[in-house]
Amino acid sequence: DADVTQTPRNRITKTGKRIMLECSQTKGHDRMYWYRQDPGLGLRLIYYSFDVKDINKGEISDGYSVSRQAQAKFSLSLESAIPNQTALYFCATSRGLAGTDTQYFGPGTRLTVL
Amino acid sequence: AQSVSQHNHHVILSEAASLELGCNYSYGGTVNLFWYVQYPGQHLQLLLKYFSGDPLVKGIKGFEAEFIKSKFSFNLRKPSVQWSDTAEYFCAVIHGSSNTGKLIFGQGTTLQVKP
Repeated sequence: DADVTQTPRNRITKTGKRIMLECSQTKGHDRMYWYRQDPGLGLRLIYYSFDVKDINKGEISDGYSVSRQAQAKFSLSLESAIPNQTALYFCATSRGLAGTDTQYFGPGTRLTVL
Repeated sequence: AQSVSQHNHHVILSEAASLELGCNYSYGGTVNLFWYVQYPGQHLQLLLKYFSGDPLVKGIKGFEAEFIKSKFSFNLRKPSVQWSDTAEYFCAVIHGSSNTGKLIFGQGTTLQVKP
């Protein structure tokens, strides 16, 4: 969905480096999410944000941090990348309708940590 | 903990064959259910969703899914697959009363359709 964009699309980095993945949306949604996708595990939630001042940990937040710079921007950082963080990372957004929310996904960032 | 299980990890079909992908969830309360599709090299796209009402839900590209509450299931079906349906399919669940927005995904099913 072109309304949710992620940069970079691909990144190769080395162990110990700090990496930032960025997500922007033009859908006007309040809620934003970061997931990682690993083969055979589906998507797992890293962090989510209901608005600029409301950030919450997901099921696998260790080793990650986030920043919600504006309603439209939500960044994911790996402070010191390690090889098992090699994965496909997706950003998603939703309007925040309790009980009937639908999430819309960005194109993904493929991160490789050597 | 709530979970979503997709029993078929890898399915191979010939074109025109019928498709059914299984999805079961463990939560006993009200749920909202989704199927997402991920075509090779692309992002996840919403295929269909169930919130309430008719348990037989029709989505895009000829897909449908049936919510069977007694079986905690939301299986995806298509009467006749095409080569272009080759993709990975994810079932996902969110609690109907939840305000957390947490989607719980299944492990995914890879569908390969042979021409």
